[in-house]
Amino acid sequence: EVQLVQSGAEVRKSGESLKISCKGSGYSFTDYWIAWVRQMPGKGLEWMGVIYPGDSDTRYSPSFQGQVTISADKSISTAYLQWSSLKASDTAMYYCAKRSQVSRYTVDVWGQGTAVTVSS
Amino acid sequence: QSALTQPASVSGSPGQSITISCTGTSSDVGTYNYVSWFQQHPSKAPKLMIYGVSNRPSGVSNRFSGSKSGNTASLTISGLQAEDEADYYCSSYTGSSTLYVFGTGTKVTVL
Repeated sequence: EVQLVQSGAEVRKSGESLKISCKGSGYSFTDYWIAWVRQMPGKGLEWMGVIYPGDSDTRYSPSFQGQVTISADKSISTAYLQWSSLKASDTAMYYCAKRSQVSRYTVDVWGQGTAVTVSS
Repeated sequence: QSALTQPASVSGSPGQSITISCTGTSSDVGTYNYVSWFQQHPSKAPKLMIYGVSNRPSGVSNRFSGSKSGNTASLTISGLQAEDEADYYCSSYTGSSTLYVFGTGTKVTVL
C-alpha cells in the first residue's frame, strides 16, 4: 500500500525552530515529487512547494520562498519541512502529498497532516 | 499567482446535480489541461476526485465529472448523496515558478 506518514503534532513558541517529516512507503520514493500544502485554521489549501527526491531539486511558491525549507533524505524515503524562526501565523495544518501515479501534474496520496501550533 | 476563484458554497437536495466552477486565467486553467479537484471532509486530508480536467482516479464514483471551457473548469456531482457534503478545491498547473495553484474552496451542503 502506498502511504505517506507524517510526524506528530507540534507546539512551539515564536522564534523557535521546527522540522516536520513525511515518510513514504510502498512506492519508489525517488520517482515521484512530494508537495507540501498549508491549511490555516478554517481556511483553504495553499501549495507551499515541491521537492524531487531523486535529486532534491526544490521549487517554492513565492509566498513561501525564504520562509521555509523543504528537503528530503532519499536513503530513508523521507521529506521534510522546516522553519528556522516560527511565527504565530505559521499555526496551521501541514500536509505532504506525492505526485500521482497516473499524472505528472497532480497528487494522489496525502499524508494525514501535521498540526503545528505556535504561541506568541 | 492568485488563487483560482470558486463559489464559497453550493447546495442541493439528495439526488440532484450540482456544479462547482473554478475560474482562473490564461496563465493556468486556460492554457493547461491539468486541472484537478479534491474533496476534503472535516479534519481529514484531501482526496483526489478528478485529474487532467475530466479523468477519474480508480475508485472514485462516476457521479463525479469534470470539464473545462476557456479559463473556467467545472466539477459536477450528479445524484447528490449525504456523503458528498464536504469542501471541494480545484487546482491547476501554472507552468510558472509557482507550479500549482489551488482554488478558494467550495463548501457543498446536502439539504
